[in-house]
Amino acid sequence: KAGVTQTPRYLIKTRGQQVTLSCSPISGHRSVSWYQQTPGQGLQFLFEYFSETQRNKGNFPGRFSGRQFSNSRSEMNVSTLELGDSALYLCASSLGAGVSYGYTFGSGTRLTVV
Amino acid sequence: QKEVEQNSGPLSVPEGAIASLNCTYSDRVSQSFFWYRQYSGKSPELIMSIYSNGDKEDGRFTAQLNKASQYVSLLIRDSQPSDSATYLCAVNMNSGGYQKVTFGIGTKLQVIP
Repeated sequence: KAGVTQTPRYLIKTRGQQVTLSCSPISGHRSVSWYQQTPGQGLQFLFEYFSETQRNKGNFPGRFSGRQFSNSRSEMNVSTLELGDSALYLCASSLGAGVSYGYTFGSGTRLTVV
Repeated sequence: QKEVEQNSGPLSVPEGAIASLNCTYSDRVSQSFFWYRQYSGKSPELIMSIYSNGDKEDGRFTAQLNKASQYVSLLIRDSQPSDSATYLCAVNMNSGGYQKVTFGIGTKLQVIP
């Protein structure tokens, strides 16, 4: 059974650029959540999608957005990148709508903004 | 007050000892609690979930939940060097009518051979 696939694994971008990250959940999982992980803040919730609908959003600026497609694959976009956006972005796949089920995480996308 | 609090450690224990990892949370109505293990350079992996007060055992791992005290813990018996990792406590939280999973900062565990 394939795991959660995140692409790309590494990205280097310049301030002001925009970036799109992709996540393919485990087959049959309909919920995808996104987290930002930094050494100082730990895992911070970005948003959760279930059946193509954003169910919840964390306390991030509007530069952070996402969407989910009918095949449950999800993308997140960050526009006008800032140095502080450098982080590991993790996608978490879940069978149902998140909270009563554990997550399976992807390997993450390491974003560096220079 | 942070929503999910953990001591960042490091917590050092000798091989074969019991490691005790603790977590407190702020949302009294939380119903689902998880422990994840994260090795350096890797993504978190789920090791335990607990939903009811009391203990839940899985191999060398025991999760303990006390909702009245808003406290959840993870015990690792017969600790091995391979258990050295960061352990993340995660709790479901009510947010604007929806639920979201909030993580603690994680406790770094070092098992000394």
